[in-house]
Amino acid sequence: RKEVEQDPGPFNVPEGATVAFNCTYSNSASQSFFWYRQDCRKEPKLLMSVYSSGNEDGRFTAQLNRASQYISLLIRDSKLSDSATYLCVVNMKGNNDMRFGAGTRLTVKP
Amino acid sequence: EAGVAQSPRYKIIEKRQSVAFWCNPISGHATLYWYQQILGQGPKLLIQFQNNGVVDDSQLPKDRFSAERLKGVDSTLKIQPAKLEDSAVYLCASSSIRRWANEKLFFGSGTQLSVL
Repeated sequence: RKEVEQDPGPFNVPEGATVAFNCTYSNSASQSFFWYRQDCRKEPKLLMSVYSSGNEDGRFTAQLNRASQYISLLIRDSKLSDSATYLCVVNMKGNNDMRFGAGTRLTVKP
Repeated sequence: EAGVAQSPRYKIIEKRQSVAFWCNPISGHATLYWYQQILGQGPKLLIQFQNNGVVDDSQLPKDRFSAERLKGVDSTLKIQPAKLEDSAVYLCASSSIRRWANEKLFFGSGTQLSVL
């Protein structure tokens, strides 16, 4: 089993759609979780951290299910500018050992 | 605040040659990472330093890759000899030291390596 596994994608959605990405992780002792965004030919940048109680930042909602070792990212009212690859990141061993998933590519179309 | 600096931006070499990449993290960031990102894949952690000590190098191909961070600031990643499958973007990232904290990774622009 991969340490961090994501939906393979790609996702192609119209503007205004709601889209959800899923991610599972292998180490039940993992302590912290993140979603990063990577634009084509650019470096990854933090989109949001994922907190145990779930958290929202504008159109973006992140949720964590520790029992199922599962993280999700929901994007509402998709914009063209949301087109990017979304990377799930897990602090695997609690020492900031940050492991990335393979990423899920999203394309939002007019 | 200056970001993570990496050089060179691009490098083209032939297989079996050697190559080195340099990274200068954000001032004060104790943790430094090297990631390898092959086209179409997520970044793969090669090595993690905390100050000048290695935290994790379990995925570093030690027969050909080496990395150092002698003074706990900047770092060098070397490949010797390079193989075709080493073609990738090499990303350096840094973060501050706090344990158990939701620490943000700051990435450099990366070095795109092509091995011919």
